[in-house]
Amino acid sequence: NAGVTQTPKFRILKIGQSMTLQCTQDMNHNYMYWYRQDPGMGLKLIYYSVGAGITDKGEVPNGYNVSRSTTEDFPLRLELAAPSQTSVYFCASSDRTGTSTDTQYFGPGTRLTVL
Amino acid sequence: EDKVVQSPLSLVVHEGDTVTLNCSYEVTNFRSLLWYKQEKKAPTFLFMLTSSGIEKKSGRLSSILDKKELFSILNITATQTGDSAVYLCAVANDYKLSFGAGTTVTVRA
Repeated sequence: NAGVTQTPKFRILKIGQSMTLQCTQDMNHNYMYWYRQDPGMGLKLIYYSVGAGITDKGEVPNGYNVSRSTTEDFPLRLELAAPSQTSVYFCASSDRTGTSTDTQYFGPGTRLTVL
Repeated sequence: EDKVVQSPLSLVVHEGDTVTLNCSYEVTNFRSLLWYKQEKKAPTFLFMLTSSGIEKKSGRLSSILDKKELFSILNITATQTGDSAVYLCAVANDYKLSFGAGTTVTVRA
């Protein structure tokens, strides 16, 4: 049981490039989330999904896109990377049907730098 | 707009000291309040609180929620260098967590 896994761990992009951050969970959780964390700040929600085929915007969705074709996978797409997207990105999942419904489990993070 | 405010932003203590971290919140449709510990990597779950006045404990860590005054505290007793981390407070509403900026705790030997 690996929990939440993310790839890559690190990435450097040039301005205008695109990339996809991968996130997979093996806990059969229905809810999945993408956050970004800037230095000295808390986590800001980018997008979330309540189940396969259903996604919605969080607090800071501009410049990002997501899809959820399966329960396990929730990739985050960056189009036309900008320096403002330099951050650490965390994927998380939660089981909203269980008793600890609000507890989210986090992946190890992807450190992205846009130059 | 949902708001979660943690204080202090940072503190430095010596091993054996007790620390108290504060979290106040204003959110719509409150469900629960959670505490996470972050050590230069992914946040790890500590506690989830849903009821006022009921203390949750795990070893040297304890936490309590006051839903009337809209705040929670996290206590760490007999601190150790391994307690050095950022402690994040998050409040859950219908579908998401809103995070505070965190409190950085540094424990000196």
